Amino acid sequence: DAGVTQSPTHLIKTRGQQVTLRCSPKSGHDTVSWYQQALGQGPQFIFQYYEEEERQRGNFPDRFSGHQFPNYSSELNVNALLLGDSALYLCASSLVGTGQETQYFGPGTRLLVL
Amino acid sequence: DQQVKQNSPSLSVQEGRISILNCDYTNSMFDYFLWYKKYPAEGPTFLISISSIKDKNEDGRFTVFLNKSAKHLSLHIVPSQPGDSAVYFCAASPNYGGSQGNLIFGKGTKLSVKP
Repeated sequence: DAGVTQSPTHLIKTRGQQVTLRCSPKSGHDTVSWYQQALGQGPQFIFQYYEEEERQRGNFPDRFSGHQFPNYSSELNVNALLLGDSALYLCASSLVGTGQETQYFGPGTRLLVL
Repeated sequence: DQQVKQNSPSLSVQEGRISILNCDYTNSMFDYFLWYKKYPAEGPTFLISISSIKDKNEDGRFTVFLNKSAKHLSLHIVPSQPGDSAVYFCAASPNYGGSQGNLIFGKGTKLSVKP
């Protein structure tokens, strides 16, 4: 049973560029959430996708956008990259249900902005 | 303003003894709480969870206790093993439209279990 997968594992970009990160959810899951983890901090919620719609959004600017495909996989796009966007980007998947679903995380994509 | 706080950045425990990791929260709307373990260069791994209607949940060596009146939860690991050495994150979630909302994480506690 494949868990959550993310690609690429590492990425180096320069300021002002755009980046796309990809996530495939755990088999049977229908919801994908994205988190940003800065060094020494806990993961911070960016947004959640369900039924190809953005369901919830955290306190991130519009430069951060996403998409969910019919097969439940998801992309995170970041435009006009800033140095402060350097972080580990985590994708988590879950199955909408009772309010006590567990989110399972992928290994993350480490983004470095120079 | 941090809604989930893990006030101990690090904890060192001898192998075989109990590890107790603590977490405090401020938002009374949280109704589901989770603990994750994270090794370097890996994503967080789910450990154990507890609903707000319970005060204890056990899974093998791991037990989570919830004190709603104090807005406090703790993770007990007994007995601790060197392989438990990792960063432990406490996370809380409100209900959102009948399913789990976004997770709000603490900053983590680095546990070191010494042989």
